[in-house]
Amino acid sequence: GAGVSQSPSNKVTEKGKDVELRCDPISGHTALYWYRQRLGQGLEFLIYFQGNSAPDKSGLPSDRFSAERTGESVSTLTIQRTQQEDSAVYLCASTRAGISTDTQYFGPGTRLTVL
Amino acid sequence: GDSVTQMEGPVTLSEEAFLTINCTYTATGYPSLFWYVQYPGEGLQLLLKATKADDKGSNKGFEATYRKETTSFHLEKGSVQVSDSAVYFCALSDHSNYQLIWGAGTKLIIKP
Repeated sequence: GAGVSQSPSNKVTEKGKDVELRCDPISGHTALYWYRQRLGQGLEFLIYFQGNSAPDKSGLPSDRFSAERTGESVSTLTIQRTQQEDSAVYLCASTRAGISTDTQYFGPGTRLTVL
Repeated sequence: GDSVTQMEGPVTLSEEAFLTINCTYTATGYPSLFWYVQYPGEGLQLLLKATKADDKGSNKGFEATYRKETTSFHLEKGSVQVSDSAVYFCALSDHSNYQLIWGAGTKLIIKP
C-alpha cells in the first residue's frame, strides 16, 4: 500500500488476555519501529527491526511484550496477560534505511484499552 | 543523556493568530532536529526538519530555525488556521543510532 497500515484500529480486552497488534510497513522500507503513546504523553520506543539483523528490544517494558517481523514485511506486537497500564495507543513506523535522520512514516495506530 | 523539552499544552489560539511552540534540547555534538505533527485521527507525519545550525526548516507555512546558541528549535507560523489543530512533536537525532529522542508533544487548538 501507499502508507503504513495497522490493525486493528481499536482493541478492547479484559485484563489477563493476550492481544496481537499488526503493522504493515511501506513496501521496500527496511526498518520498522514500534512505539507506545500513553494519553497526553510522548512516544515511548519499544522495539526496532532493521532488515535481517537482530532486533533492538531494549524498549520493551516487560517480558509480557514481544514482537516479530518476517524479513522486511509485516510485524506483530504481542502483549501477553494484559494489564490496565498497557492501555495506550501503539504506533508503528517504517523508514527506508533505518538511519535516524530518515523520515519516519507512521501508521494510524492501534488504541488498546484493557478493562 | 539527550533530551527534548516542549512547552506544555494545550495551546489555544484564534484563527489568524501568530503561533510559537517552544522546543529546547540537550545533546552533545550537532544533532538534527525535527517537527512531526499528528492531526486528529491520522498518523504522525514529518512537518519539517533541520540538520545543521542556522538551518531553517519550512513546510505548510510553518518554520523553525535551528539555534545552537540557545539549543532551540521553536516552531512558528504567521497566521494559523483551524486545520492546523493537531499535536506537534519536537524530536532530535544525535546520529549515534537509529532512534529519535521525542518531546512530550504540544496540543494546538485553533478556534474560528
